[in-house]
Amino acid sequence: KAGVTQTPRYLIKTRGQQVTLSCSPISGHRSVSWYQQTPGQGLQFLFEYFSETQRNKGNFPGRFSGRQFSNSRSEMNVSTLELGDSALYLCASSGSPGQGSGELFFGEGSRLTVL
Amino acid sequence: DAKTTQPPSMDCAEGRAANLPCNHSTISGNEYVYWYRQIHSQGPQYIIHGLKNNETNEMASLIITEDRKSSTLILPHATLRDTAVYYCIVRVAWDDKIIFGKGTRLHILP
Repeated sequence: KAGVTQTPRYLIKTRGQQVTLSCSPISGHRSVSWYQQTPGQGLQFLFEYFSETQRNKGNFPGRFSGRQFSNSRSEMNVSTLELGDSALYLCASSGSPGQGSGELFFGEGSRLTVL
Repeated sequence: DAKTTQPPSMDCAEGRAANLPCNHSTISGNEYVYWYRQIHSQGPQYIIHGLKNNETNEMASLIITEDRKSSTLILPHATLRDTAVYYCIVRVAWDDKIIFGKGTRLHILP
């Protein structure tokens, strides 16, 4: 069974640009959550989607947005990039209520550098 | 804020059992305890979870106190490959946003 796939793995942007990151969950999983990891703040929850609906949202500005498609693939977008957005962005998938016990399966992440 | 408290770092000799503690004194009755670990620059990896009873799988054992206010993750025979940051999380299985704390950085000493 293929794991969670995130693309791109590495990217470099400049301040003011926008970026879109993609996450393909494990086949059959319908929940996708996103996290930002920086050395100073650790792993911070961005948002979670289930069946194309945002279920939970972390404390990030509106520049951070996401969506989920009918095939459960998810994208997150960061607009008007700032230097502080440089981070490892991690995606995790999990099944549905009644399927497993809510454990998360993470991808390898997309490392964003903002210059 | 994270609902758990973990020591920032621990050392363990290779081949010995590594016992990683976690305090979750405000845990509610429907919240599970989950453990994950993150090896440098990789995505976190699920290890084990439990509600009330002790659990064991091929990677580790989870001991939850009777009052559920704390737990211990046990790696029975630590190897150098177990060097990682270990995160303890509590959440309702299918609800709740997932809040990671700072975790415990485990160093395995040769």
